[in-house]
Amino acid sequence: AQRVTQPEKLLSVFKGAPVELKCNYSYSGSPELFWYVQYSRQRLQLLLRHISRESIKGFTADLNKGETSFHLKKPFAQEEDSAMYYCALEDAGGTSYGKLTFGQGTILTVHP
Amino acid sequence: KAGVTQTPRYLIKTRGQQVTLSCSPISGHRSVSWYQQTPGQGLQFLFEYFSETQRNKGNFPGRFSGRQFSNSRSEMNVSTLELGDSALYLCASSLGLGHNSPLHFGNGTRLTVT
Repeated sequence: AQRVTQPEKLLSVFKGAPVELKCNYSYSGSPELFWYVQYSRQRLQLLLRHISRESIKGFTADLNKGETSFHLKKPFAQEEDSAMYYCALEDAGGTSYGKLTFGQGTILTVHP
Repeated sequence: KAGVTQTPRYLIKTRGQQVTLSCSPISGHRSVSWYQQTPGQGLQFLFEYFSETQRNKGNFPGRFSGRQFSNSRSEMNVSTLELGDSALYLCASSLGLGHNSPLHFGNGTRLTVT
């Protein structure tokens, strides 16, 4: 069974500090990994995905298959980054499009 | 482009009743997925529909069912409601053509079972 673990429920940093949100996964197949974000009073939305190897809003995430991790990083946090962040996994080898396994989420608070 | 629309936003039902939730996907999206969100279990996949066919199902009892119409709109139904069914039900749509088709979520329907 696949599992996604986000060990930190809460993470607080100061503006301008680096931030890293941890995500570890357990899956025997070939995973696709995503980060979704939910800002206050907004709907859940895609932040970035491993398959695109992109940087969104200054965030990056590297898939480390050896450590089965997909940590989200940003070198200089901004107050507007305060939100709930979810790491999610999808089976890359099948037709399970739309079937994501989510972590429990991390609430990031960036203090001024 | 209008986003994913879920109706109603809030529902209060009593145990034993049944409920139907509705989801209108983004225009052109053929895949609709449903998720249950609770404080204890987080976000859990219910099922996914693509072109009116259920393509995937999560680990939920048969009381949870869904369907998709020819215009890609989807409904999910929960019969014989239990207190534990109280949750936020999220619908997400996508092109459904592969892992490059990100999910676009609605605001959810908050179901309270008393």
